[in-house]
Amino acid sequence: SQQGEEDPQALSIQEGENATMNCSYKTSINNLQWYRQNSGRGLVHLILIRSNEREKHSGRLRVTLDTSKKSSSLLITASRAADTASYFCATDPLDSKLTFGKGITLSVRP
Amino acid sequence: EPEVTQTPSHQVTQMGQEVILRCVPISNHLYFYWYRQILGQKVEFLVSFYNNEISEKSEIFDDQFSVERPDGSNFTLKIRSTKLEDSAMYFCASRVAGSTDTQYFGPGTRLTVL
Repeated sequence: SQQGEEDPQALSIQEGENATMNCSYKTSINNLQWYRQNSGRGLVHLILIRSNEREKHSGRLRVTLDTSKKSSSLLITASRAADTASYFCATDPLDSKLTFGKGITLSVRP
Repeated sequence: EPEVTQTPSHQVTQMGQEVILRCVPISNHLYFYWYRQILGQKVEFLVSFYNNEISEKSEIFDDQFSVERPDGSNFTLKIRSTKLEDSAMYFCASRVAGSTDTQYFGPGTRLTVL
């Protein structure tokens, strides 16, 4: 897989359920960031987790990072229809440019 | 809350024409970036800019592309002679300093080359 590769590619859940999205990467990183993009719109920063952190919370979001497995997960709890969007992980290696994955399309059914 | 702004939101141009995409980064940020996203594809890094010079560029950023910070607030991306394959969403991003800081993205400019 390439740097910043998410899975699954698409996820459809019922409102109120939790959504878990995974990201794998190849090279060493300084940090890993998750972004959200509504259809045809800009990238909204959700959360940043540094390489020396294992877990981070922000509201209904929980991100984990396992540097030994070079993977991260984003959990959205109690999902809402408004969470419907594409979600991207982006890795920030030592040279600071972000490398994005292809994204996960999340659909939350009301 | 401060945000990155971009203009125009949508630009339509004829192949071979020059376009300038404009960005106003967050005011105390020192590092600036351009990325692009072709429809249905990944967001790709184009160029990073710090201290009034390019610090890194990707292989996409060829001689047709240039960036400039003409004054203390604007950061521009120029495409000299647009091609059909330049059609994409172009995102500007900025961050304060330090490689562990968040990059904040603008809303993007959708460029359509006819």
